[in-house]
Amino acid sequence: GENVEQHPSTLSVQEGDSAVIKCTYSDSASNYFPWYKQELGKRPQLIIDIRSNVGEKKDQRIAVTLNKTAKHFSLHITETQPEDSAVYFCAASNGNNRLAFGKGNQVVVIP
Amino acid sequence: KAGVTQTPRYLIKTRGQQVTLSCSPISGHRSVSWYQQTPGQGLQFLFEYFSETQRNKGNFPGRFSGRQFSNSRSEMNVSTLELGDSALYLCASSPATENEQFFGPGTRLTVL
Repeated sequence: GENVEQHPSTLSVQEGDSAVIKCTYSDSASNYFPWYKQELGKRPQLIIDIRSNVGEKKDQRIAVTLNKTAKHFSLHITETQPEDSAVYFCAASNGNNRLAFGKGNQVVVIP
Repeated sequence: KAGVTQTPRYLIKTRGQQVTLSCSPISGHRSVSWYQQTPGQGLQFLFEYFSETQRNKGNFPGRFSGRQFSNSRSEMNVSTLELGDSALYLCASSPATENEQFFGPGTRLTVL
C-alpha cells in the first residue's frame, strides 16, 4: 500500500517567516494530495489539495508543489502568523477515497 | 451546509466490551470513510462506505466493522475491546466522485 513520509517532525519559525513541509510518497499511482491542519483538540481541516495533473497550487499565503518524478510534494506557508501554529498532515490517494497520511508536523510560530 | 457530525463525542469502555460509533455526513455526500488517530500511529484508514457498500478496507482486524444506511449515515462497531483500541475515531465524508474528504469532530474512545 501507499506509504507517506513527512519531514521535519517539528518546525519552529519566527512570525512573518516562511514554513516549508515536505512529504514523500511511494505509490506512483497516487493522484490526489491533500493537506490538513489540525489544532489541538479539533478535527483535521482540509487547507489545500493538489492533483497529479498540476505542479503547483496557491491559495493566499498557502501553496503546494508536486514533483511526480521524485514523488514528493511540499506545503509552503508564507508570512506565518501565530494562528498557523498546529499539526499539519499530508496525505496521498490513488482516487479510491483511501487517504494514506504522513505522521504529521508540529509547526510552532514564535511571535 | 451543516458539517460532518459524530456521536457520541466521548466514550469510556472496559476491555472485552463492544462499542458503536455513529457518523452523519454532509448532506449530499455519499461516501463515508473512517480513520483511527493515535499519537503513535497517526491517522490510519479503517474502511470506506459508498451507497451502503464497503468499497475499501484498511489493515485492521475483523473486530472492526462498519455499515452505511440508505441516508448515508454510517456506524462503526468495535467488538471485544482491547486497551490498544483507545484512540480518536474520525469519520470523513466526500462527494460521490471527488476525493476531498471533510472530517467530523471525532469520538474519543478510552478503553480501561
